[in-house]
Amino acid sequence: DTGVSQNPRHKITKRGQNVTFRCDPISEHNRLYWYRQTLGQGPEFLTYFQNEAQLEKSRLLSDRFSAERPKGSFSTLEIQRTEQGDSAMYLCASRPDRSEAFFGQGTRLTVV
Amino acid sequence: GNSVTQMEGPVTLSEEAFLTINCTYTATGYPSLFWYVQYPGEGLQLLLKATKADDKGSNKGFEATYRKETTSFHLEKGSVQVSDSAVYFCALSDQSTDKLIFGTGTRLQVFP
Repeated sequence: DTGVSQNPRHKITKRGQNVTFRCDPISEHNRLYWYRQTLGQGPEFLTYFQNEAQLEKSRLLSDRFSAERPKGSFSTLEIQRTEQGDSAMYLCASRPDRSEAFFGQGTRLTVV
Repeated sequence: GNSVTQMEGPVTLSEEAFLTINCTYTATGYPSLFWYVQYPGEGLQLLLKATKADDKGSNKGFEATYRKETTSFHLEKGSVQVSDSAVYFCALSDQSTDKLIFGTGTRLQVFP
């Protein structure tokens, strides 16, 4: 078990392009969360999966954002038509029921 | 709604000094409370947690006590080291989804 893995670690993209990030949770963790962290701020909740079901989405998650977790394993977060305001660190966390969350190292997105 | 307020940083200390980072929360019900630490370029690591009133979480010399009467969860360490330099986040977990709500973080800088 190598912990929560996120890829890529860094992504630089031009404004208007689409990007996709991947999160591989710790195996058998049924809950998976995405957070966004901007410079100097704490992480903010984006969305949450229990197994393959997406159970909650933040109002921060505009219609340009979509997340999936097919088969309840890995998850992807896609941002369409990126904007400079999307530049942030995107963090993934997983946890089993009734235990604490474990975070990946994050994907740092820079939109130029 | 639920929220977490942390003291602003940076906190600058000499090695072996006493550390306190204040954290207060607003929540309905009885959330679990956490301190996470983030080293430069890294994701979040759980430092300690407390799940009910009067619980004391502790790890690596850090301690925090869940105070329901003052809605606080202040982080303390008796003697800081240079290696403790990092950003510390206080967080609570939403009771229904267990998503984490973070404070804005407090940067700690320890000098030899």
